[in-house]
Amino acid sequence: NAGVTQTPKFRILKIGQSMTLQCAQDMNHNYMYWYRQDPGMGLKLIYYSVGAGITDKGEVPNGYNVSRSTTEDFPLRLELAAPSQTSVYFCASTLRGVGDSGNTIYFGEGSWLTVV
Amino acid sequence: GQNIDQPTEMTATEGAIVQINCTYQTSGFNGLFWYQQHAGEAPTFLSYNVLDGLEEKGRFSSFLSRSKGYSYLLLKELQMKDSASYLCAVRWGNAGNMLTFGGGTRLMVKP
Repeated sequence: NAGVTQTPKFRILKIGQSMTLQCAQDMNHNYMYWYRQDPGMGLKLIYYSVGAGITDKGEVPNGYNVSRSTTEDFPLRLELAAPSQTSVYFCASTLRGVGDSGNTIYFGEGSWLTVV
Repeated sequence: GQNIDQPTEMTATEGAIVQINCTYQTSGFNGLFWYQQHAGEAPTFLSYNVLDGLEEKGRFSSFLSRSKGYSYLLLKELQMKDSASYLCAVRWGNAGNMLTFGGGTRLMVKP
């Protein structure tokens, strides 16, 4: 089982460049999330999706965009990279929320992004 | 907003017991998770509580009081490998089941 797959694992961007972080899951999960984690801090929710075609803003959506055209994929787009977006990005997925058993939230391995 | 509070750092001795607390606003609560995260790695699942009471899983236990907006993670027989950050996360039923995390508690286990 591949689980949640994120690419790339490491990337250096120049200020103003754009890029897309890819996230794919093969578990047929409805819910997918994008988080960022700054050094020594907790995870902050950027965007999430409860199913194909549906996305919602999280706590820190500014500077990012997402799409969910299929159940499997949930890419995160940075349009104009800024140094403040230097962080580790984690994608996660889970089965339907209500009534779900707790141990079905799966994380990708993380993407380390540096903007210089 | 969905505030989640937990201590920033804790230190404990190998073999001891440590309790990490987490408080959250009760409105919209729909489940609480505890995750362990070693430096440079993704979080890994430890426990899940949606009903009041204690859930025990080996050396780790998690407690929830929904009326008080309070949870704790109890780690027994501490080992050096337990040195990590412990993240409390809450799912909000009134916000599309959005899952948000506290800032994490960095636990250092000393010999």
